[in-house]
Amino acid sequence: GEDVEQSLFLSVREGDSSVINCTYTDSSSTYLYWYKQEPGAGLQLLTYIFSNMDMKQDQRLTVLLNKKDKHLSLRIADTQTGDSAIYFCAETPYTGRRALTFGSGTRLQVQP
Amino acid sequence: NAGVTQTPKFQVLKTGQSMTLQCAQDMNHEYMSWYRQDPGMGLRLIHYSVGAGITDQGEVPNGYNVSRSTTEDFPLRLLSAAPSQTSVYFCATEGRRGTEAFFGQGTRLTVV
Repeated sequence: GEDVEQSLFLSVREGDSSVINCTYTDSSSTYLYWYKQEPGAGLQLLTYIFSNMDMKQDQRLTVLLNKKDKHLSLRIADTQTGDSAIYFCAETPYTGRRALTFGSGTRLQVQP
Repeated sequence: NAGVTQTPKFQVLKTGQSMTLQCAQDMNHEYMSWYRQDPGMGLRLIHYSVGAGITDQGEVPNGYNVSRSTTEDFPLRLLSAAPSQTSVYFCATEGRRGTEAFFGQGTRLTVV
């Protein structure tokens, strides 16, 4: 079945850029998502990309997709302390069973 | 517009007890799903529904039942709670495939 993997922890200084990485195994056309989870809260969708795209930019967020390597990254420019949270990569296939497969999450710690 | 409402927010059960986690949405979405989140892991799909009267199993369905009598409600039942079901449970809804999945705030369940 599908599998999504992420590194567990990332620490950056305020003002630096953060890059969170994800790899996935689904070989079919797929939607790929980045969610943010703050402590005690549900998941908030940050951005998503379809697997036929290479890049998507939305204000401070840039998503890069390397289809050959099945590697997805989320870059946060000018990282702020409010960006401290757990970031989940997730994917769902374009056809077939409609279910999100999540990575285990990357905890981003932003130091002042 | 409440979005996705889960009740209760917290619950402690004794082993063998039964209970129902409630999920209600006011967005008229056909697709609803239940996930559980365990420490160090991403969310895993328990059950999902593509519309009223239609449900199907996800990745970890054992020990849980669901029903979907209306578009708005998608309750999750634990028939005989076990300590392995201690987790945070999230309900989600989604419109068209590939659009944003909206998550509830979660129910933190502890089984002792």
